[in-house]
Amino acid sequence: QKEVEQNSGPLSVPEGAIASLNCTYSDRVSQSFFWYRQYSGKSPELIMSIYSNGDKEDGRFTAQLNKASQYVSLLIRDSQPSDSATYLCAVHFGNEKLTFGTGTRLTIIP
Amino acid sequence: DVKVTQSSRYLVKRTGEKVFLECVQDMDHENMFWYRQDPGLGLRLIYFSYDVKMKEKGDIPEGYSVSREKKERFSLILESASTNQTSMYLCASRPLDRSYSPLHFGNGTRLTVT
Repeated sequence: QKEVEQNSGPLSVPEGAIASLNCTYSDRVSQSFFWYRQYSGKSPELIMSIYSNGDKEDGRFTAQLNKASQYVSLLIRDSQPSDSATYLCAVHFGNEKLTFGTGTRLTIIP
Repeated sequence: DVKVTQSSRYLVKRTGEKVFLECVQDMDHENMFWYRQDPGLGLRLIYFSYDVKMKEKGDIPEGYSVSREKKERFSLILESASTNQTSMYLCASRPLDRSYSPLHFGNGTRLTVT
């Protein structure tokens, strides 16, 4: 069974600080990795995708991938109250299916 | 922009009823998916389809069936609804391009079975 694991939180971060979210996965042949944000009662929305080792930046968001260690992380700089949500890590294990972690609940404290 | 539309936002059904959840996407995507989401369990794949009339079981297909008669439409069917099928149901789609495309989700259907 291929798995994706996240710390469920809640993770509390002061406004303006950096929020760091981590995800580990079980299979070295994984090809693509995604971070979704989900507000309470809403559906997941894509915020970052990453396919190669290293960092990928998009505005205040940076995704980091380390395939050798089998982890992917998401950094949110200058955290805002609107970043308070559940963040889902998702991994393609080389087939058509996307496997999700259970999500990390992030709270930004004003 | 990709649009995935689920026909109902909220549904309340009785135990034993046959329930249809409808999903339509407007981007000519080959792949369509049905997930359910429950607190503490995350998103779990029920069924997916990579072409018209094709379907594959996901991780939790028991108690569900699906129908894909047209490329843009993917229906989830609960043959005889039970209370343990009370959940948030999410439809998603993506193109057939190996593994690099993300999923695009609909707004979800919150189903309550009483």
